[in-house]
Amino acid sequence: GAGVSQSPSNKVTEKGKDVELRCDPISGHTALYWYRQRLGQGLEFLIYFQGNSAPDKSGLPSDRFSAERTGESVSTLTIQRTQQEDSAVYLCASSLGPRQFFGPGTRLTVL
Amino acid sequence: ILNVEQSPQSLHVQEGDSTNFTCSFPSSNFYALHWYRWETAKSPEALFVMTLNGDEKKKGRISATLNTKEGYSYLYIKGSQPEDSATYLCGDSNDYKLSFGAGTTVTVRA
Repeated sequence: GAGVSQSPSNKVTEKGKDVELRCDPISGHTALYWYRQRLGQGLEFLIYFQGNSAPDKSGLPSDRFSAERTGESVSTLTIQRTQQEDSAVYLCASSLGPRQFFGPGTRLTVL
Repeated sequence: ILNVEQSPQSLHVQEGDSTNFTCSFPSSNFYALHWYRWETAKSPEALFVMTLNGDEKKKGRISATLNTKEGYSYLYIKGSQPEDSATYLCGDSNDYKLSFGAGTTVTVRA
């Protein structure tokens, strides 16, 4: 596609359930990033992929969070045993150079 | 704690007026400074990537300046229009990771 796409656009889940968020980057972009924005806060870096490897996972807030990337393309962010503080907009971005192209985000609400 | 700070947090502008706001960042180990515009329900859109001290970039009615020695950047909107209403994010980066400020939310009143 022409841009970065993410699915679902909205996800409402109950506390304790697992969720998977998907990102389809721009074709050919080797770098992929996950960020999140919680209410009233700035965009927070979570993880960076170069190809299928993640050299920087420093932003993942706990071991309940994991991400993978396959085929140097699609990435999945998984949150296990969701908590209310996980509620946020989760954004994915991809790049080939310094400029990052963002997807529309997934709004996650944990009840 | 955010290393990148933006001010003000929000501002209201009358249509046709010009405005500007600030991004401050650590001046040590500077690599690049990014500005994004984020409209509600849309993807953040890259406006500028700036790397050199004294850089000035322009896109339509929006322009930005960069001072890497003192660690600040200004974003200017000339002749604000309702479509300029958005949150403007700045972020500094190493070669890959962006650290964002909390943003300045601009509301343009007709």
